Amino acid sequence: GENVEQHPSTLSVQEGDSAVIKCTYSDSASNYFPWYKQELGKRPQLIIDIRSNVGEKKDQRIAVTLNKTAKHFSLHITETQPEDSAVYFCAASMPGSARQLTFGSGTQLTVLP
Amino acid sequence: DTGVSQDPRHKITKRGQNVTFRCDPISEHNRLYWYRQTLGQGPEFLTYFQNEAQLEKSRLLSDRFSAERPKGSFSTLEIQRTEQGDSAMYLCASSPSREKTAEAFFGQGTRLTVV
Repeated sequence: GENVEQHPSTLSVQEGDSAVIKCTYSDSASNYFPWYKQELGKRPQLIIDIRSNVGEKKDQRIAVTLNKTAKHFSLHITETQPEDSAVYFCAASMPGSARQLTFGSGTQLTVLP
Repeated sequence: DTGVSQDPRHKITKRGQNVTFRCDPISEHNRLYWYRQTLGQGPEFLTYFQNEAQLEKSRLLSDRFSAERPKGSFSTLEIQRTEQGDSAMYLCASSPSREKTAEAFFGQGTRLTVV
């Protein structure tokens, strides 16, 4: 089955700096890659996603890039703010009946004021 | 709030007891998923329903676990003879059945503690 690895496990940045989180996946059949943000005690919330027919996608301060050849994808957050502090999870999904998500182990992002 | 709702939010039970959790998905979503999340880890897939049919089960879902989705609306997850290793956050997610999309909306989860 699919395996997703995520790095780093913790990341501290100064407010206003950029943050980058990287993930690799094992199954080249995966074609959907969402990123979820989870604040302490709250539900995971989708912040951005990308499909395998696209190399990059942006939404305001957040961008995701996908390299299908290398089987890795990254989350970029620019001009970080304290409210960006949370755990971020990458995930991958394959086409098929269930299309369940395989998640990475998460990155605890702390934005220091 | 018209999102995915789960009940209860927290459950403390003694080892060996049975517990049941409920999930109400977003009303127009045909797909329903159960995931389990332990501290410091990402959610792990447990099972999947398309309407009322349970179509996928993870190897993580032992015989003590059973899930149902009668009438294709709400779902229940039952754990029999709970063990301490069952302590985790149980997350429900739902997704529309449109082609080429797998966007999943999560509930706030049920935190299970087995003592």
